[in-house]
Amino acid sequence: AQKITQTQPGMFVQEKEAVTLDCTYDTSDPSYGLFWYKQPSSGEMIFLIYQGSYDQQNATEGRYSLNFQKARKSANLVISASQLGDSAMYFCAMRENSGGGADGLTFGKGTHLIIQP
Amino acid sequence: DVKVTQSSRYLVKRTGEKVFLECVQDMDHENMFWYRQDPGLGLRLIYFSYDVKMKEKGDIPEGYSVSREKKERFSLILESASTNQTSMYLCASRVRTGGMRNQPQHFGDGTRLSIL
Repeated sequence: AQKITQTQPGMFVQEKEAVTLDCTYDTSDPSYGLFWYKQPSSGEMIFLIYQGSYDQQNATEGRYSLNFQKARKSANLVISASQLGDSAMYFCAMRENSGGGADGLTFGKGTHLIIQP
Repeated sequence: DVKVTQSSRYLVKRTGEKVFLECVQDMDHENMFWYRQDPGLGLRLIYFSYDVKMKEKGDIPEGYSVSREKKERFSLILESASTNQTSMYLCASRVRTGGMRNQPQHFGDGTRLSIL
Protein backbone atom coordinates (compact mmCIF):
# COMPACT_ATOMS: atom_id res chain seq x y z
CA ALA A 1 0.00 0.00 0.00
CA GLN A 2 1.19 3.49 -0.78
CA LYS A 3 2.29 5.45 2.24
CA ILE A 4 1.80 8.84 0.58
CA THR A 5 -1.02 9.44 -1.89
CA GLN A 6 -1.35 12.55 -4.01
CA THR A 7 -4.53 12.13 -6.02
CA GLN A 8 -4.08 15.10 -8.37
CA PRO A 9 -1.53 14.36 -11.12
CA GLY A 10 -2.05 17.87 -12.55
CA MET A 11 -3.90 21.08 -11.82
CA PHE A 12 -4.59 24.28 -13.72
CA VAL A 13 -5.35 27.36 -11.61
CA GLN A 14 -5.92 31.00 -12.44
CA GLU A 15 -3.37 33.45 -11.12
CA LYS A 16 -4.30 34.98 -7.74
CA GLU A 17 -6.63 32.14 -6.83
CA ALA A 18 -5.98 29.96 -3.79
CA VAL A 19 -4.79 26.39 -4.47
CA THR A 20 -5.20 23.25 -2.39
CA LEU A 21 -2.94 20.29 -3.14
CA ASP A 22 -4.10 17.04 -1.61
CA CYS A 23 -1.98 14.60 0.36
CA THR A 24 -3.07 11.60 2.40
CA TYR A 25 -0.71 9.33 4.26
CA ASP A 26 -0.66 5.94 5.89
CA THR A 27 1.34 5.11 8.99
CA SER A 28 0.96 3.28 12.29
CA ASP A 29 3.83 5.25 13.82
CA PRO A 30 2.47 7.76 16.38
CA SER A 31 5.42 10.06 15.73
CA TYR A 32 5.99 11.29 12.20
CA GLY A 33 6.67 14.40 10.19
CA LEU A 34 5.15 15.63 6.96
CA PHE A 35 7.01 17.79 4.46
CA TRP A 36 6.08 19.58 1.27
CA TYR A 37 8.63 20.30 -1.45
CA LYS A 38 8.40 22.31 -4.65
CA GLN A 39 10.33 21.29 -7.77
CA PRO A 40 10.41 23.87 -10.59
CA SER A 41 11.28 22.82 -14.12
CA SER A 42 14.96 23.54 -13.35
CA GLY A 43 14.93 20.45 -11.11
CA GLU A 44 15.97 21.62 -7.65
CA MET A 45 13.87 20.49 -4.68
CA ILE A 46 12.80 23.41 -2.51
CA PHE A 47 11.53 22.77 1.01
CA LEU A 48 8.26 24.61 1.71
CA ILE A 49 6.70 23.58 5.00
CA TYR A 50 6.75 21.00 7.80
CA GLN A 51 4.08 19.55 10.09
CA GLY A 52 4.85 17.29 13.03
CA SER A 53 2.34 14.69 14.15
CA TYR A 54 2.22 16.18 17.65
CA ASP A 55 1.98 19.80 16.54
CA GLN A 56 -1.20 21.35 17.88
CA GLN A 57 -1.50 24.03 15.23
CA ASN A 58 -1.43 23.88 11.45
CA ALA A 59 1.90 25.00 10.03
CA THR A 60 2.17 28.24 8.07
CA GLU A 61 5.05 29.75 6.09
CA GLY A 62 4.21 32.94 4.24
CA ARG A 63 1.70 32.09 1.48
CA TYR A 64 1.90 28.38 2.33
CA SER A 65 -0.20 26.71 4.97
CA LEU A 66 -0.86 23.11 5.81
CA ASN A 67 -4.37 21.85 6.46
CA PHE A 68 -3.52 19.01 8.83
CA GLN A 69 -6.35 16.64 9.71
CA LYS A 70 -4.74 13.94 11.78
CA ALA A 71 -7.77 11.68 12.19
CA ARG A 72 -8.24 11.62 8.43
CA LYS A 73 -4.48 11.25 7.84
CA SER A 74 -4.58 14.23 5.55
CA ALA A 75 -2.00 17.02 5.10
CA ASN A 76 -3.10 19.27 2.28
CA LEU A 77 -0.94 22.18 1.14
CA VAL A 78 -2.74 25.48 0.64
CA ILE A 79 -1.14 28.22 -1.45
CA SER A 80 -2.87 31.57 -1.10
CA ALA A 81 -2.95 34.15 -3.89
CA SER A 82 -1.15 31.99 -6.45
CA GLN A 83 1.54 33.47 -8.67
CA LEU A 84 2.95 32.44 -12.04
CA GLY A 85 6.15 31.43 -10.28
CA ASP A 86 4.22 28.81 -8.31
CA SER A 87 4.03 26.64 -11.43
CA ALA A 88 6.00 23.51 -10.53
CA MET A 89 5.79 19.92 -9.31
CA TYR A 90 4.80 19.64 -5.65
CA PHE A 91 5.68 16.64 -3.53
CA CYS A 92 4.31 15.56 -0.18
CA ALA A 93 6.68 13.43 1.90
CA MET A 94 6.66 11.68 5.27
CA ARG A 95 9.28 10.64 7.78
CA GLU A 96 8.34 8.05 10.38
CA ASN A 97 10.31 8.77 13.52
CA SER A 98 10.32 5.38 15.18
CA GLY A 99 12.56 3.85 12.52
CA GLY A 100 16.24 3.65 13.16
CA GLY A 101 19.04 5.10 11.10
CA ALA A 102 18.90 8.27 9.13
CA ASP A 103 15.16 8.45 8.50
CA GLY A 104 14.74 8.73 4.77
CA LEU A 105 11.63 10.34 3.39
CA THR A 106 8.79 8.55 1.61
CA PHE A 107 7.48 10.69 -1.23
CA GLY A 108 4.18 10.85 -3.05
CA LYS A 109 4.10 10.82 -6.84
CA GLY A 110 3.62 14.58 -7.03
CA THR A 111 1.16 17.10 -8.42
CA HIS A 112 2.03 19.23 -11.43
CA LEU A 113 0.61 22.69 -10.78
CA ILE A 114 0.26 25.17 -13.62
CA ILE A 115 -0.76 28.75 -12.87
CA GLN A 116 -2.44 30.48 -15.76
CA PRO A 117 -2.41 34.27 -16.25
CA ASP B 1 22.48 28.40 3.45
CA VAL B 2 23.06 24.69 3.04
CA LYS B 3 24.78 23.78 -0.16
CA VAL B 4 24.53 20.30 -1.62
CA THR B 5 26.56 19.95 -4.79
CA GLN B 6 26.26 17.13 -7.28
CA SER B 7 29.19 16.77 -9.61
CA SER B 8 27.26 16.63 -12.89
CA ARG B 9 23.90 17.96 -14.08
CA TYR B 10 23.87 15.68 -17.12
CA LEU B 11 25.72 12.42 -17.71
CA VAL B 12 25.62 9.92 -20.57
CA LYS B 13 27.15 6.47 -20.12
CA ARG B 14 27.05 3.12 -21.87
CA THR B 15 25.54 -0.15 -20.73
CA GLY B 16 27.96 -2.12 -18.58
CA GLU B 17 30.07 0.86 -17.51
CA LYS B 18 30.82 1.55 -13.87
CA VAL B 19 29.32 4.94 -13.04
CA PHE B 20 30.10 7.22 -10.11
CA LEU B 21 27.78 10.01 -8.99
CA GLU B 22 29.33 12.34 -6.47
CA CYS B 23 27.67 14.52 -3.85
CA VAL B 24 29.24 16.99 -1.44
CA GLN B 25 27.57 19.01 1.32
CA ASP B 26 29.06 21.91 3.21
CA MET B 27 27.00 21.97 6.41
CA ASP B 28 28.64 19.15 8.39
CA HIS B 29 25.43 17.11 8.18
CA GLU B 30 25.58 13.60 9.56
CA ASN B 31 22.87 12.13 7.32
CA MET B 32 23.07 11.85 3.56
CA PHE B 33 20.73 10.25 1.04
CA TRP B 34 20.48 9.16 -2.57
CA TYR B 35 17.12 9.13 -4.37
CA ARG B 36 16.10 8.45 -7.93
CA GLN B 37 13.18 10.28 -9.52
CA ASP B 38 11.11 8.86 -12.36
CA PRO B 39 8.01 10.38 -13.97
CA GLY B 40 4.85 9.21 -12.26
CA LEU B 41 6.78 7.52 -9.45
CA GLY B 42 8.03 10.43 -7.38
CA LEU B 43 11.30 10.05 -5.50
CA ARG B 44 12.45 6.69 -4.20
CA LEU B 45 15.19 6.16 -1.67
CA ILE B 46 18.16 4.12 -2.88
CA TYR B 47 20.63 4.31 0.02
CA PHE B 48 21.34 6.50 3.00
CA SER B 49 24.18 7.03 5.41
CA TYR B 50 24.13 8.34 8.96
CA ASP B 51 27.87 8.49 9.51
CA VAL B 52 31.21 8.02 7.82
CA LYS B 53 31.58 4.48 6.50
CA MET B 54 28.01 3.68 7.53
CA LYS B 55 25.34 2.87 4.97
CA GLU B 56 21.83 1.52 4.93
CA LYS B 57 19.69 0.22 2.08
CA GLY B 58 16.66 2.21 1.11
CA ASP B 59 13.68 1.00 -0.86
CA ILE B 60 15.40 0.25 -4.19
CA PRO B 61 19.10 -0.60 -3.59
CA GLU B 62 19.43 -3.29 -6.25
CA GLY B 63 22.09 -2.48 -8.83
CA TYR B 64 23.61 0.30 -6.71
CA SER B 65 26.23 0.70 -4.03
CA VAL B 66 27.46 3.71 -2.06
CA SER B 67 30.59 5.00 -0.42
CA ARG B 68 31.07 7.49 2.39
CA GLU B 69 34.73 7.87 3.25
CA LYS B 70 34.41 11.48 4.43
CA LYS B 71 31.56 13.16 6.24
CA GLU B 72 30.92 15.70 3.51
CA ARG B 73 30.95 13.32 0.55
CA PHE B 74 28.52 10.56 -0.42
CA SER B 75 29.00 8.66 -3.66
CA LEU B 76 26.51 6.55 -5.56
CA ILE B 77 27.97 3.75 -7.68
CA LEU B 78 26.33 1.87 -10.50
CA GLU B 79 28.48 -1.23 -10.69
CA SER B 80 27.38 -2.19 -14.22
CA ALA B 81 25.02 0.39 -15.66
CA SER B 82 21.85 -0.78 -17.38
CA THR B 83 19.28 1.09 -19.44
CA ASN B 84 16.67 0.83 -16.67
CA GLN B 85 18.92 2.99 -14.52
CA THR B 86 18.35 5.95 -16.80
CA SER B 87 16.83 8.46 -14.39
CA MET B 88 17.22 11.66 -12.42
CA TYR B 89 19.35 11.13 -9.31
CA LEU B 90 19.04 13.44 -6.33
CA CYS B 91 21.35 13.67 -3.35
CA ALA B 92 20.23 15.15 -0.02
CA SER B 93 21.68 15.86 3.39
CA ARG B 94 20.26 16.57 6.83
CA VAL B 95 21.34 17.08 10.40
CA ARG B 96 21.11 14.03 12.62
CA THR B 97 17.50 13.78 13.82
CA GLY B 98 17.82 13.91 17.60
CA GLY B 99 15.47 16.62 18.79
CA MET B 100 15.45 18.42 15.46
CA ARG B 101 12.63 16.59 13.76
CA ASN B 102 11.40 19.64 11.88
CA GLN B 103 14.65 20.01 9.96
CA PRO B 104 14.18 19.19 6.27
CA GLN B 105 16.45 17.35 3.92
CA HIS B 106 18.38 19.69 1.63
CA PHE B 107 18.73 18.57 -1.96
CA GLY B 108 21.26 19.03 -4.70
CA ASP B 109 20.21 20.08 -8.19
CA GLY B 110 20.13 16.50 -9.46
CA THR B 111 21.98 14.52 -12.11
CA ARG B 112 20.14 13.44 -15.23
CA LEU B 113 21.78 10.13 -16.12
CA SER B 114 21.22 8.45 -19.47
CA ILE B 115 22.44 4.92 -20.04
CA LEU B 116 22.72 4.02 -23.74
